[in-house]
Amino acid sequence: EDKVVQSPLSLVVHEGDTVTLNCSYEVTNFRSLLWYKQEKKAPTFLFMLTSSGIEKKSGRLSSILDKKELFSILNITATQTGDSAVYLCAVELNSGYALNFGKGTSLLVTP
Amino acid sequence: DGGITQSPKYLFRKEGQNVTLSCEQNLNHDAMYWYRQDPGQGLRLIYYSQIVNDFQKGDIAEGYSVSREKKESFPLTVTSAQKNPTAFYLCASTPGGSSYNEQFFGPGTRLTVL
Repeated sequence: EDKVVQSPLSLVVHEGDTVTLNCSYEVTNFRSLLWYKQEKKAPTFLFMLTSSGIEKKSGRLSSILDKKELFSILNITATQTGDSAVYLCAVELNSGYALNFGKGTSLLVTP
Repeated sequence: DGGITQSPKYLFRKEGQNVTLSCEQNLNHDAMYWYRQDPGQGLRLIYYSQIVNDFQKGDIAEGYSVSREKKESFPLTVTSAQKNPTAFYLCASTPGGSSYNEQFFGPGTRLTVL
C-alpha cells in the first residue's frame, strides 16, 4: 500500500526561528513529490520535486528530495506569523492517478 | 481570471438527503479530482476524471457519485449512503498528459449534515 508520512504532525515556534518539516514515502512508480500550504481553505502550491539533490527555493522556503532514502524536507527560515498553516506533502505516481497526501504538519508561528 | 470555482462555500443538509457540490474550471484542464478532508487528516481521493465522459473511483468512493459531461464541470453528489458526509470537500484540476503539472485547487465546500 502506498504511504506518505509527514512529521511532526504539529509544531509551535517563535517568529524568527527556522523549521524543518519532513515527508517520507513508500510508493510504487514514484513520479514527483509536491508541497502545498493550506490556510483554512484551498491548498496553494509551493514546490514540485522530481529529481534527487536539487534544491528548490522560493524566498525563505526551500525544499529538497532524496529519492534513494525516499524523503523530502521543507525548510522555512526566519519564520513569520504568516507562515502559520498546514503544510501538506503529496506524492504523484507514474500512473498519473492522483496525489497521495500525507496528513500534514500544522505549523504555528507565535509573535 | 482563470481558476476553479466551487459552490456553495458552506452547505447544511439533513441526514438522508442527497446533495450535489459544484466544481467548475475555466483552465481548459483535462483532469479533475474530488478530495475529502477531515480534521487533522490529509486529503483523500473520492473520484477523478482524466477526460470527458470518463471517471474512476478513488480510495473512498462509497456513498458518492460524479459525472463529467463537460470538460469544465465535475459535480459531486453525496448520497444518503455515505455514512459520515460532514467534511471539507476540495475539487482540483490539472492539464493531464505526460508533463509535470501541479494540481490546482478550488476554494472548497464545507458540508455539514445535521
